[in-house]
Amino acid sequence: EPEVTQTPSHQVTQMGQEVILRCVPISNHLYFYWYRQILGQKVEFLVSFYNNEISEKSEIFDDQFSVERPDGSNFTLKIRSTKLEDSAMYFCAARGGLNYGYTFGSGTRLTVV
Amino acid sequence: QQQVKQSPQSLIVQKGGISIINCAYENTAFDYFPWYQQFPGKGPALLIAIRPDVSEKKEGRFTISFNKSAKQFSLHIMDSQPGDSATYFCAASPDNYGQNFVFGPGTRLSVLP
Repeated sequence: EPEVTQTPSHQVTQMGQEVILRCVPISNHLYFYWYRQILGQKVEFLVSFYNNEISEKSEIFDDQFSVERPDGSNFTLKIRSTKLEDSAMYFCAARGGLNYGYTFGSGTRLTVV
Repeated sequence: QQQVKQSPQSLIVQKGGISIINCAYENTAFDYFPWYQQFPGKGPALLIAIRPDVSEKKEGRFTISFNKSAKQFSLHIMDSQPGDSATYFCAASPDNYGQNFVFGPGTRLSVLP
């Protein structure tokens, strides 16, 4: 089954630093998503991306966050100035049509210290 | 109205027993309801999904029951096995390719050997 690949698997960063989380989605999918899961809590929607632009974003996705797909392959989530509360698992996902749910990547665990 | 409620928060079942997890929603625009299984350190994986035109869908030991009038749906795991021990999330979205999912808070299932 096609995979959504995320790197790195774990990143530790100091508060205030910028981080970039990377995702290589399934190549023939058109909609891409970032979700976040704080430890032990539910999966929360951050942003959806289609045709090289954001199609929807949540309240969590403030000015500190940005996404891009610069080369038509990698899909990145950037956090400009990390805060302690940004510590979470970040999941990239892609969707393959109306008859399918998301395919999630294995996630990046972000730890802000 | 965007919430999906899920219960119980945790569930302990003996091997061979039936695990039942319930979800409820309010938004009548939701018409696609997937269930995800998540093992520790992994991304959520699609287990089974249903649309409201059917009241039940079965795949192997997993069955979704759907009650459109009550706006409720449930996951039944028959002959539960220790390998089923994981966190289960229900989700909902409008059945539109680009729509993001709203996830329930999750149920931690432990199947005792």
